[in-house]
Amino acid sequence: GQNIDQPTEMTATEGAIVQINCTYQTSGFNGLFWYQQHAGEAPTFLSYNVLDGLEEKGRFSSFLSRSKGYSYLLLKELQMKDSASYLCAVPHGGATNKLIFGTGTLLAVQP
Amino acid sequence: DTEVTQTPKHLVMGMTNKKSLKCEQHMGHRAMYWYKQKAKKPPELMFVYSYEKLSINESVPSRFSPECPNSSLLNLHLHALQPEDSALYLCASSQGVEGNYGYTFGSGTRLTVV
Repeated sequence: GQNIDQPTEMTATEGAIVQINCTYQTSGFNGLFWYQQHAGEAPTFLSYNVLDGLEEKGRFSSFLSRSKGYSYLLLKELQMKDSASYLCAVPHGGATNKLIFGTGTLLAVQP
Repeated sequence: DTEVTQTPKHLVMGMTNKKSLKCEQHMGHRAMYWYKQKAKKPPELMFVYSYEKLSINESVPSRFSPECPNSSLLNLHLHALQPEDSALYLCASSQGVEGNYGYTFGSGTRLTVV
């Protein structure tokens, strides 16, 4: 089976840096995705990590440690528009692309 | 075209109604998905279509009936729904099911059952 855990809510200040953690347990690992979802909208792809280390993409970076079953999403220079839910997701693996989402972290950016 | 288009955006239906949700993509993606998302919860997988054939049904009640008429279209037929079925229904597509491809999501249909 699979289990994905994230903090439920976080609050940060505009211009600051925030780190959103995700721990997972999976029977077979085939990479980890991060998605952003604004209220009432569709999830949008942020990053995909399959190897250990940090992947940087502008203000957003994602880190993976396969041995620890751990990932984080790092958001720099926070903007008000970054207020959203951030979903960690892991493919179920096998022959099917069955993406299982974590509970999501609701980030509130304050002035 | 890099989008997944869902219609309608909002739908209110009675428990005796029959309605359909539609999803369309023209990216050549061969896998399409239906997810259900309740408020403040993550999306939950309902159905997976691979090459126009149903490959996964996550024990979804028969009042939800998926259909894939061709590689670009995915429908979800609704009949005799319950108020607890009210949710955001998301369609997604990916290049395939072999390996791990990122999903492209549609903007969803906000369904209210009264």
